[in-house]
Amino acid sequence: DAGVIQSPRHEVTEMGQEVTLRCKPISGHDYLFWYRQTMMRGLELLIYFNNNVPIDDSGMPEDRFSAKMPNASFSTLKIQPSEPRDSAVYFCASRKGGAYEQYFGPGTRLTVT
Amino acid sequence: EDQVTQSPEALRLQEGESSSLNCSYTVSGLRGLFWYRQDPGKGPEFLFTLYSAGEEKEKERLKATLTKKESFLHITAPKPEDSATYLCAVNAAGNKLTFGGGTRVLVKP
Repeated sequence: DAGVIQSPRHEVTEMGQEVTLRCKPISGHDYLFWYRQTMMRGLELLIYFNNNVPIDDSGMPEDRFSAKMPNASFSTLKIQPSEPRDSAVYFCASRKGGAYEQYFGPGTRLTVT
Repeated sequence: EDQVTQSPEALRLQEGESSSLNCSYTVSGLRGLFWYRQDPGKGPEFLFTLYSAGEEKEKERLKATLTKKESFLHITAPKPEDSATYLCAVNAAGNKLTFGGGTRVLVKP
C-alpha cells in the first residue's frame, strides 16, 4: 500500500506569497494530522481532522494558516501571507480510528525568504 | 499539560556497543506510548506502541519497555544503519500525540 503522500517535497518562496501544501492520507484512514517540525520546537501538532471534519486547530499559530480536507483522500495546508519564521518541515500523518499510531508522510521543506 | 522528555539528546556508539534511550513522561491517563525512528530528510517511521506498564516490544535490535513514568528503547549490538533520531510520543486524552525532543544516535563502524 502507498504511504502518506505529500507535495511538494520542497518549496522556496518569498515573504508575502501564498503557499499551499498538499497531503493524501493512507486509504482507509479516517484521521489526518498536520505537524510542523523545527530545530527549536521539535514536532508540533497544528490541526487534525476526523472524517474530513476539523476537530482541533488549537495548534495553528496564526490566522495566516488555514487547512481544509474536502474529501477523504486530500487535504491542504495554506499559509497566506508567508513569513520567514514559517520556514520549517511540514508533515502530514494519518491513522485509522481505533488505533492510535500515526503514519507520517515524507514532509514538505518550506523555505520563506 | 502532557510532557515528554527524552535523554540523552545525542548518543555516539561504536558498532556492537549496546545502549538505552530514555523517555520520561507526565500525562493524565496514558492511552499509548509510541516510538518512532526518523532519518534525515524523511518523516518519522513508526516502530512500537506500548499501552501498559510492564509491556515490552521487540524488532530486530530494538526493544522497547514501559513503566508508569518512563519508557526505554534498548539498542542491542547496534549497526551503522541504526543511526537515526529516535522520537518518543504519548497519547493521553483526545487524539493528539505529544512528542519529545528526540535522541540522535550515531553508530560508528
